[in-house]
Amino acid sequence: GAVVSQHPSRVICKSGTSVKIECRSLDFQATTMFWYRQFPKKSLMLMATSNEGSKATYEQGVEKDKFLINHASLTLSTLTVTSAHPEDSSFYICSADGTSGSKTGETQYFGPGTRLLVL
Amino acid sequence: AQSVTQPDIHITVSEGASLELRCNYSYGATPYLFWYVQSPGQGLQLLLKYFSGDTLVQGIKGFEAEFKRSQSSFNLRKPSVHWSDAAEYFCAARTGGGNKLTFGTGTQLKVEL
Repeated sequence: GAVVSQHPSRVICKSGTSVKIECRSLDFQATTMFWYRQFPKKSLMLMATSNEGSKATYEQGVEKDKFLINHASLTLSTLTVTSAHPEDSSFYICSADGTSGSKTGETQYFGPGTRLLVL
Repeated sequence: AQSVTQPDIHITVSEGASLELRCNYSYGATPYLFWYVQSPGQGLQLLLKYFSGDTLVQGIKGFEAEFKRSQSSFNLRKPSVHWSDAAEYFCAARTGGGNKLTFGTGTQLKVEL
């Protein structure tokens, strides 16, 4: 149980275009999902917290107009990188708060990540 | 400020040898603690977690971790490392009432055959 998928796994796009990444919880409902960015050989940087049916909460320094997050259902959150530029190239990982034993929403389960390359 | 520290950036062990990866946390109260493993180009897989109770926690793939309140530590151990354990390991923490994870900087494990 507690499987999170991401699509696509890899994407290459031209500078100036927009890219949408999907994050799905496959066997559980997640009211809260998270989006991270990971630079090579670095730790994960939380970009935003996505709550179903409400606006995402962005971390300081993350451009909300550039990284659009939508959490339309309890199993799907999307991250759209708008007007992508080469510096947006990175590994984007989503996670979802799932149930662990008797505790609800206290363990994050991670997707496999999406490698974005902007040319 | 809340923080998680992994003092070792790189660790190399021989296959079959024991392993201990260090993790220290700085929180006002005891947080929930996690260890995740990341293989190259992959997302994070949960190895084990500690919420409360027994301070020795068993996880998947033969890993265990021990919570020590007096040392603010949550070190990950494995008695005999396999070559497939080579990966990046992240310690993470969150408060009981919060939902954000704070990650350590990770420890890269290399296994020599």
